[in-house]
Amino acid sequence: GGIITQTPKFLIGQEGQKLTLKCQQNFNHDTMYWYRQDSGKGLRLIYYSITENDLQKGDLSEGYDASREKKSSFSLTVTSAQKNEMAVFLCASRPEDGSSYEQYFGPGTRLTVL
Amino acid sequence: GDKVKQSPSALSLQEGTNSALRCNFSIAATTVQWFLQNPRGSLINLFYLVPGTKENGRLKSTFNSKESYSTLHIRDAQLEDSGTYFCAAEANSAGNKLTFGIGTRVLVRP
Repeated sequence: GGIITQTPKFLIGQEGQKLTLKCQQNFNHDTMYWYRQDSGKGLRLIYYSITENDLQKGDLSEGYDASREKKSSFSLTVTSAQKNEMAVFLCASRPEDGSSYEQYFGPGTRLTVL
Repeated sequence: GDKVKQSPSALSLQEGTNSALRCNFSIAATTVQWFLQNPRGSLINLFYLVPGTKENGRLKSTFNSKESYSTLHIRDAQLEDSGTYFCAAEANSAGNKLTFGIGTRVLVRP
């Protein structure tokens, strides 16, 4: 088994601020993902990475940067926080060894922009 | 959300009854995952499916790739089954990515 941790759990920012969210997994999974969930809605993919230093854009990449520093960690940066923005950012990972392609999720970071 | 369409959008169930949730796909789905998002917001993995059927306790899920749908059956609903159920599909054309539906909100009443 393994676990995905996300920090911080809650993030309060100011309009225009640059904010960084972090994700760590100890599954030894290859691919990691960042999703955004708005209230009452499904998840939308922001960025994903299939290996260290790889970066692939999702459907919602504008306004975000990401960095896969090492296999176990994947960071997301909100480049300029939007006023009154509220969303949950979910990190996920999955293996690419052919055993299964099941994604597992972290507990989320809840963002509020004042 | 239109590539993966979930129905119903919301469901109220009496404890002890059975129900079914459905996902229809307009993409050529190859695998499907079902999740339960609990009131704290955590996504719990329920099923990972290639075409076929899996069962786990009171839950049973089927993925029919030829007819582009998946179902999740809840038997003998319990209060702790309340939450939002999401299905998500992966298509070969989309690489390593899951496309999510917008969820079915389930409330189990005592």
